[in-house]
Amino acid sequence: DAKTTQPPSMDCAEGRAANLPCNHSTISGNEYVYWYRQIHSQGPQYIIHGLKNNETNEMASLIITEDRKSSTLILPHATLRDTAVYYCIPKREEYGNKLVFGAGTILRVKS
Amino acid sequence: DAGITQSPRHKVTETGTPVTLRCHQTENHRYMYWYRQDPGHGLRLIHYSYGVKDTDKGEVSDGYSVSRSKTEDFLLTLESATSSQTSVYFCAISEPGMNTEAFFGQGTRLTVV
Repeated sequence: DAKTTQPPSMDCAEGRAANLPCNHSTISGNEYVYWYRQIHSQGPQYIIHGLKNNETNEMASLIITEDRKSSTLILPHATLRDTAVYYCIPKREEYGNKLVFGAGTILRVKS
Repeated sequence: DAGITQSPRHKVTETGTPVTLRCHQTENHRYMYWYRQDPGHGLRLIHYSYGVKDTDKGEVSDGYSVSRSKTEDFLLTLESATSSQTSVYFCAISEPGMNTEAFFGQGTRLTVV
């Protein structure tokens, strides 16, 4: 299994970059790393995903190490509305596209 | 938001009664999923579907059944509701493939009394 390890919680000052780490040391070569977040009481929201190259979209950047054993989600200018639980999820082909959620990281953005 | 509608959004029911939750999508995505979320457990997969009349069990399927007679609808039934099924239920949709993201509905809060 591509088990993931994320810190249980992190704090970030509003306007600063939030860097959320994820270790997925047993990830396989064809497994994408997906990031989702869940704002209180809402459904999970897709943020970004990548295989081995760094990715950027309008929400965030994803940095994947060359050995693919870890990744970092970067929210460049965190706002109070970014306070949420962030999930790092390797997507396993053998799971048939199913997402297996861990505990994630609670990010608290503070003013 | 992706076109996913869950209904009802809130429901209170009595122990032993059957309950059906509906997930309706307008995205024509092939795959659909039902998750439940409880404090201390995160999101856990109940059932999923890879197409019409093609469903399978997830990790916490006991006490639940599903049906998918149309691409757009995925129904979750609690055959005889128990207090342990009090939870928030989320539906998700996706297309096949490793390089496709899933989209989630806003959830149904079910309370079994």
